[in-house]
Amino acid sequence: GAGVSQSPSNKVTEKGKDVELRCDPISGHTALYWYRQSLGQGLEFLIYFQGNSAPDKSGLPSDRFSAERTGGSVSTLTIQRTQQEDSAVYLCASSMDRGLWQPQHFGDGTRLSIL
Amino acid sequence: GENVEQHPSTLSVQEGDSAVIKCTYSDSASNYFPWYKQELGKRPQLIIDIRSNVGEKKDQRIAVTLNKTAKHFSLHITETQPEDSAVYFCAARNDYKLSFGAGTTVTVRA
Repeated sequence: GAGVSQSPSNKVTEKGKDVELRCDPISGHTALYWYRQSLGQGLEFLIYFQGNSAPDKSGLPSDRFSAERTGGSVSTLTIQRTQQEDSAVYLCASSMDRGLWQPQHFGDGTRLSIL
Repeated sequence: GENVEQHPSTLSVQEGDSAVIKCTYSDSASNYFPWYKQELGKRPQLIIDIRSNVGEKKDQRIAVTLNKTAKHFSLHITETQPEDSAVYFCAARNDYKLSFGAGTTVTVRA
């Protein structure tokens, strides 16, 4: 595939359940980002992966949120014990590397709804 | 950290008129400024970007200007068309991190 792929596209779950969101970046892209977009809002940075370096987790809103990136490619964002305020669209983006002028390319996102 | 403010939050223009969206940023170290267009339910799409060593860039009906001294940059869309209706986000990049504005909802009236 040519673009960033995210799954599932939609997820509805009950409060208190755990969820896993998946991102498959563009082939060859070493940098991967997760963002959260609440209704009518801008994009909030969550976490950044670059190659084998330690990720920048400074945007994760609580310790219920975690993410990993296996083999430098696919990434999974996990939200434990979901709360209603976690409802949002979770967007993944990738770029070729952390180079100064490298644009980020976004996936279609996962729309998460917590009942 | 970087703080990006975007104005206006909504913008309604007559088809054929121009639309201007303005953003300010706080971190003078930011050096790359992309603009994204997001249609309803779709992914943000990069439409134009500008580097800090350039003052203006144009791509057909879209142009972006950057004033580093004042720390503001603007998106200009000329001869607007109905398909330009979308939410537009500005962003500023420092190192690897992008900080986004809150978005401008542009509606082009036929």
